[in-house]
Amino acid sequence: GAVVSQHPSWVICKSGTSVKIECRSLDFQATTMFWYRQFPKQSLMLMATSNEGSKATYEQGVEKDKFLINHASLTLSTLTVTSAHPEDSSFYICSAKQGSFYGYTFGSGTRLTVV
Amino acid sequence: DAKTTQPTSMDCAEGRAANLPCNHSTISGNEYVYWYRQIHSQGPQYIIHGLKNNETNEMASLIITEDRKSSTLILPHATLRDTAVYYCIVRANGGATNKLIFGTGTLLAVQP
Repeated sequence: GAVVSQHPSWVICKSGTSVKIECRSLDFQATTMFWYRQFPKQSLMLMATSNEGSKATYEQGVEKDKFLINHASLTLSTLTVTSAHPEDSSFYICSAKQGSFYGYTFGSGTRLTVV
Repeated sequence: DAKTTQPTSMDCAEGRAANLPCNHSTISGNEYVYWYRQIHSQGPQYIIHGLKNNETNEMASLIITEDRKSSTLILPHATLRDTAVYYCIVRANGGATNKLIFGTGTLLAVQP
């Protein structure tokens, strides 16, 4: 089945630095990928839709200058958390859809801790 | 996309069937019912989806009422590894850009 690989699985960074998270579709091409954020004991919140070769579409309330998304190829989307602060600490998850009638496949998530 | 309502939590004994309900009374004719689950600290996992007919795969069965206003996910023989948050999501199919919006889900605790 479809596999989405997310890297790193966890990262600790200092406040004020930037962190890049990669999301790869391993055995299929994904023109669209999605980025979610999940705080403890809460549901997944969609942050943005990543479109290959064009700008990402951000959900209301998500700062596009803080969460930079690049979808440079059909198999890779990256999320960069710029100038990270402790309140950005969260579980970040990407997903992609293969074809029109299959379920979405999710990455294993990245646990970001900003200290 | 139509809104869904699920119980916050449920318990189930190991080896017994787990029946997870979902209400989606405002579902539209072109909207599918999707079920995902999320085991702690992992990405969500696709379980099953359907439009109006009952569906079954190696993981679960999906029973959709005739009026499509509610559905039930059935795990026939729950194991401890099935402990997870189960999300029922309704959305139109087709098109890779269609977003998947998660509600609060049901925390299923399988008891030994």
